[in-house]
Amino acid sequence: ETGVTQSPTHLIKTRGQQVTLRCSSQSGHNTVSWYQQALGQGPQFIFQYYREEENGRGNFPPRFSGLQFPNYSSELNVNALELDDSALYLCASSLYSSGNTIYFGEGSWLTVV
Amino acid sequence: QKEVEQDPGPLSVPEGAIVSLNCTYSNSAFQYFMWYRQYSRKGPELLMYTYSSGNKEDGRFTAQVDKSSKYISLFIRDSQPSDSATYLCAMNINSGGYQKVTFGIGTKLQVIP
Repeated sequence: ETGVTQSPTHLIKTRGQQVTLRCSSQSGHNTVSWYQQALGQGPQFIFQYYREEENGRGNFPPRFSGLQFPNYSSELNVNALELDDSALYLCASSLYSSGNTIYFGEGSWLTVV
Repeated sequence: QKEVEQDPGPLSVPEGAIVSLNCTYSNSAFQYFMWYRQYSRKGPELLMYTYSSGNKEDGRFTAQVDKSSKYISLFIRDSQPSDSATYLCAMNINSGGYQKVTFGIGTKLQVIP
């Protein structure tokens, strides 16, 4: 148990719709990042939030956006869903100063039909 | 060329065998090296992390880093059926708190009783 919780665990959306995924970070962790893991692939970095601001982004289009709240919880929003967005979305929490203790939640499985 | 290369396997070994999992990388700026274990349809679980070249041992697991060759390994001694999972190597640059983690594709391991 990492203490990182995500919701929902599974969901199905239609192409063109919007989705919001939620994450509560581990107690004491002030940094949250999101990853996309397609079937049979390693996780791909989407972005990172610290002090409620995005401070790093991977190679994902602007329709992927996020929020971090004062309690360090976070949301990932994806607009105009495409079939290729079907994946496991992982939230990870860590301390800003730590580069090696990054803990993941169990993820949210998104299927776009 | 991918920044991190990892053989996807699958790798099948008999119970009790020593398992060797490996990754190579191309970015010499990587500072932290991690191994995650991921069971089917679950989030990645942090197994070990190292910072410098050399070996780090934790129970049945040994992580090895050779920065001069850009090569990292994870050894599992006395492998158990419960070790059957996908093993992801991961590495990052902790620059100013920015913690983008780059993952390998993962090696699927099956330990046969």
